[in-house]
Amino acid sequence: DAKTTQPNSMESNEEEPVHLPCNHSTISGTDYIHWYRQLPSQGPEYVIHGLTSNVNNRMASLAIAEDRKSSTLILHRATLRDAAVYYCILNPGSNYKLTFGKGTLLTVNP
Amino acid sequence: GAVVSQHPSRVICKSGTSVKIECRSLDFQATTMFWYRQFPKQSLMLMATSNEGSKATYEQGVEKDKFLINHASLTLSTLTVTSAHPEDSSFYICSARTSDREYGYTFGSGTRLTVV
Repeated sequence: DAKTTQPNSMESNEEEPVHLPCNHSTISGTDYIHWYRQLPSQGPEYVIHGLTSNVNNRMASLAIAEDRKSSTLILHRATLRDAAVYYCILNPGSNYKLTFGKGTLLTVNP
Repeated sequence: GAVVSQHPSRVICKSGTSVKIECRSLDFQATTMFWYRQFPKQSLMLMATSNEGSKATYEQGVEKDKFLINHASLTLSTLTVTSAHPEDSSFYICSARTSDREYGYTFGSGTRLTVV
């Protein structure tokens, strides 16, 4: 499985934008880029996913590099409820198993 | 959106007993479900892939006779931890995906198993 690399931790201030990077230099052409987040003692929550083009939804935006070797999850205005571990995962196809790395622990300061 | 309901959320059992965890897809049919285990301060580790009407596929190192998975219908998968021991204490999480690729995978809220 293609792997991703994320910083172990990041810190942000409330109501400021947050850019969470992810490197996936061995991504294949059919790999979707998925982002999930996990709050303490909860199951992961889907955030966003994309293939080639940038994506926006109510939770976040996903910016994908032109060569697809990296991507950035953008939280436009961080809130305290956004404090979580964020996972960037490559998924080659529907119903394929997701392999979780260590993710990025995001701390949001009031 | 797709919802996966997982029960119980917490369970304490005695060593040597068995515990069943249920995972239901509430508003969609899930031909495939996934079971993960998460130890404190660690990431999720995939245990097995559960396919409706067929045997589960277990990841390397996961004892299939200890972690029994049944996926008898398109909306229900169960994980039974047999002869539980304290080292089986963990956070167990199920996941599924709709056939609509517009959505990602949906996860249950997890089950905290404590074996005493």
